[in-house]
Amino acid sequence: AQSVTQLGSHVSVSEGALVLLRCNYSSSVPPYLFWYVQYPNQGLQLLLKYTSAATLVKGINGFEAEFKKSETSFHLTKPSAHMSDAAEYFCAVSQNTGNQFYFGTGTSLTVIP
Amino acid sequence: DGGITQSPKYLFRKEGQNVTLSCEQNLNHDAMYWYRQDPGQGLRLIYYSQIVNDFQKGDIAEGYSVSREKKESFPLTVTSAQKNPTAFYLCASSLTSGRFYEQFFGPGTRLTVL
Repeated sequence: AQSVTQLGSHVSVSEGALVLLRCNYSSSVPPYLFWYVQYPNQGLQLLLKYTSAATLVKGINGFEAEFKKSETSFHLTKPSAHMSDAAEYFCAVSQNTGNQFYFGTGTSLTVIP
Repeated sequence: DGGITQSPKYLFRKEGQNVTLSCEQNLNHDAMYWYRQDPGQGLRLIYYSQIVNDFQKGDIAEGYSVSREKKESFPLTVTSAQKNPTAFYLCASSLTSGRFYEQFFGPGTRLTVL
């Protein structure tokens, strides 16, 4: 069975600093992995996805993530945080049948001016 | 513009009442989903449907019901059997074939039980 663990339910960074949000997965088959962002009282928006092509995936708003099979990780990074990045971020893995996604519990990112 | 709409945005329910949350998509997606979101718990799958007139229970289906009579619509009914329905409800859709297709989300409905 697939599952996702997001380490750190709250992360704070200064504006202009590196953003690193952690995601580890467990999967019995090669996974497909996703990062979503959620602003308050809104739905989720896809940031990027890994589907077994390049291990370094670039997404929207300057975010990127690297798939590391040896570490079973798919951490999300952004070189320089902006105030508008403050939001909730969810990592997700898709199941091999049934189109089901399994979401992590989310990481709330605060950007300090 | 293609997308997913959910209505209403806010919904208040008295205990013992059934309420129905609307979800419509014009993306021509075959698969649709309902999630419940509670603080600190991420998203939990209630029901999903891969094709019209067919749907499956997710992880927390008790107290909920759905229908899929049209490809573009997937309403969720929160019944009086759901003991703690106050939550944020999200509808999503995706192409059916292949697990690498991302899910697209609606803006959500916040349900509060009075």
